[in-house]
Amino acid sequence: DAGVIQSPRHEVTEMGQEVTLRCKPISGHNSLFWYRQTMMRGLELLIYFNNNVPIDDSGMPEDRFSAKMPNASFSTLKIQPSEPRDSAVYFCASRGVTHTQYFGPGTRLTVL
Amino acid sequence: DQQVKQNSPSLSVQEGRISILNCDYTNSMFDYFLWYKKYPAEGPTFLISISSIKDKNEDGRFTVFLNKSAKHLSLHIVPSQPGDSAVYFCAASVNNNDMRFGAGTRLTVKP
Repeated sequence: DAGVIQSPRHEVTEMGQEVTLRCKPISGHNSLFWYRQTMMRGLELLIYFNNNVPIDDSGMPEDRFSAKMPNASFSTLKIQPSEPRDSAVYFCASRGVTHTQYFGPGTRLTVL
Repeated sequence: DQQVKQNSPSLSVQEGRISILNCDYTNSMFDYFLWYKKYPAEGPTFLISISSIKDKNEDGRFTVFLNKSAKHLSLHIVPSQPGDSAVYFCAASVNNNDMRFGAGTRLTVKP
């Protein structure tokens, strides 16, 4: 199994631009999570899906952030418009029937 | 609201000695706890876990202890090795729903 796949691995953009982060979960996993890691707050849960349905998006910072999961093998996290304070590493994780979440390698986002 | 707290941002130990990483939580409903390890430029990887019905779980050099009355868990690494140098995250969940993570502790094991 290839594990959780995230793209791009690095993204540098200018303030005001739209950013789309992508995630392919492990095949057969029915839960998917988006996290943001910053020095100040560690790993923050942004949103999670069960069976492609958003369950809890209370961690999404504001309306500029949106996430979709159109099918069991793909999810996107979009920031529009992006701001410098959005700079962070964004992780996607998936989970099957156990408690263990499996993380992707992350996308390092820099907003200038 | 930080429900899971790791109050030590960093820890340095000598190779061969014991490393003890601590974690406190506030939500008494948490019923499952996990430790993740993270190397630079990689995602966190699962290390060890414990259910709230237990107070200890051991896997090789790694042991997790849970003290429910104190809402405290700890990860012991014995003996510590330079390859254990990483950031360690404590995490907790309720009914296998979403997971809450601590801010992490950076462990450095010196040769």
